[in-house]
Amino acid sequence: EIVLTQSPGTLSLSPGERATLSCRASQSVSSSYLAWYQQKPGQAPRLLIYGASSRATGIPDRFSGSGSGTDFTLTISRLEPEDFAVYYCQQYGSSSWTFGQGTKVEIK
Amino acid sequence: EVQLVESGGGLVQPGRSLRLSCAASGFTFDDYAMHWVRQAPGKGLEWVSGISWNSGSIGYADSVKGRFTISRDNAKNSLYLQMNSLRAEDTALYYCAKDMSSWLGGGWFDPWGQGTLVTVSS
Repeated sequence: EIVLTQSPGTLSLSPGERATLSCRASQSVSSSYLAWYQQKPGQAPRLLIYGASSRATGIPDRFSGSGSGTDFTLTISRLEPEDFAVYYCQQYGSSSWTFGQGTKVEIK
Repeated sequence: EVQLVESGGGLVQPGRSLRLSCAASGFTFDDYAMHWVRQAPGKGLEWVSGISWNSGSIGYADSVKGRFTISRDNAKNSLYLQMNSLRAEDTALYYCAKDMSSWLGGGWFDPWGQGTLVTVSS
């Protein structure tokens, strides 16, 4: 099973700042099979990025994804108040899906 | 509007069974694979099971294999999860999610339902 490790665990930033979230895989992942989700308290996860770098429908362009192989990054260029949430990466491999443990982006 | 509404959760004793349902609307249900994903209280996300559009391909996480059974009824636009031999560690919010593909294999999940809470305790 491919293990995804997200860092940092918590990111404390102010609105307007840039957020850089990392997702590292225990073995190489196809970029086509890497996604990012946002989850706010009391809400279901929402798809942000699929195929490592494609934004889902309705996702603002301040969100961007990049990476390949074992290292992937979610970048939020300028944090808006509604962006403070937990972010998860997800991959598909060996007939199963796994998620990272999440990165919480909190207001500093 | 695509909607997924889960039901069937509740408090159940260890070793007992429970059946979850997910009612889908707003899209052609039998065009897409579907999944169950769970989230233990205060924890992260764990994929539980997935099923292709025609039930021809099914997958389970190792943690539930042999105890849980996923199924779907395309005529009723519904997804199910039969959970047997429940354990305390199965306590979680169970989400139903739509795959972006018809088959199991690399799709991402969008959207997700609001979840149904399963609590396993004596």
